[in-house]
Amino acid sequence: EAEVAQSPRYKITEKSQAVAFWCDPISGHATLYWYRQILGQGPELLVQFQDESVVDDSQLPKDRFSAERLKGVDSTLKIQPAELGDSAMYLCASSSVYSGSSGANVLTFGAGSRLTVL
Amino acid sequence: SQELEQSPQSLIVQEGKNLTINCTSSKTLYGLYWYKQKYGEGLIFLMMLQKGGEEKSHEKITAKLDEKKQQSSLHITASQPSHAGIYLCGAVLIQGAQKLVFGQGTRLTINP
Repeated sequence: EAEVAQSPRYKITEKSQAVAFWCDPISGHATLYWYRQILGQGPELLVQFQDESVVDDSQLPKDRFSAERLKGVDSTLKIQPAELGDSAMYLCASSSVYSGSSGANVLTFGAGSRLTVL
Repeated sequence: SQELEQSPQSLIVQEGKNLTINCTSSKTLYGLYWYKQKYGEGLIFLMMLQKGGEEKSHEKITAKLDEKKQQSSLHITASQPSHAGIYLCGAVLIQGAQKLVFGQGTRLTINP
């Protein structure tokens, strides 16, 4: 069964350091999402890509976070500098449905990358 | 405030008992999705509901959508230890947006 790959699974870093997460979506999936999930809360959308273009990054803290999907396939989410409040699970998801279309849109999630900032 | 509210936030039930988790939206629902998450892992898709009055079942889990009330319920019959985890409802709240907004989750514990 096709999966969304994420790495690293766990990352411990000190505040003010840079950290990067990588996501490889299911082959052929045009839409890719990065969510952040703080312990005890539901996932919150950080950024949504359609192919290589950003569809929604309204909740992305752009002073320290950046995301790219240069070739419209895999994606990288970067944090620089990391802060204590960034400790969370970073989840990547993908779907085959294009933004603006109607109908069902099942997101398939990866296993996540757990970040601890010390 | 939360656009999707789940209740209860946590639930402890004895194995074999039935239970219900609710998800209520403050906005019109254009699709409602239920996911399950084991601690420290990703989300696993359970079911999707799109039409008012729709009801879907998979094994011992049934989900219903009440479009008028802007809410959905997830019912588990004869709970088993394998049902333990965090249940999350996600919804499309803007027509055509194709992004999911999630509730805060319900943590389910099954006691033997």
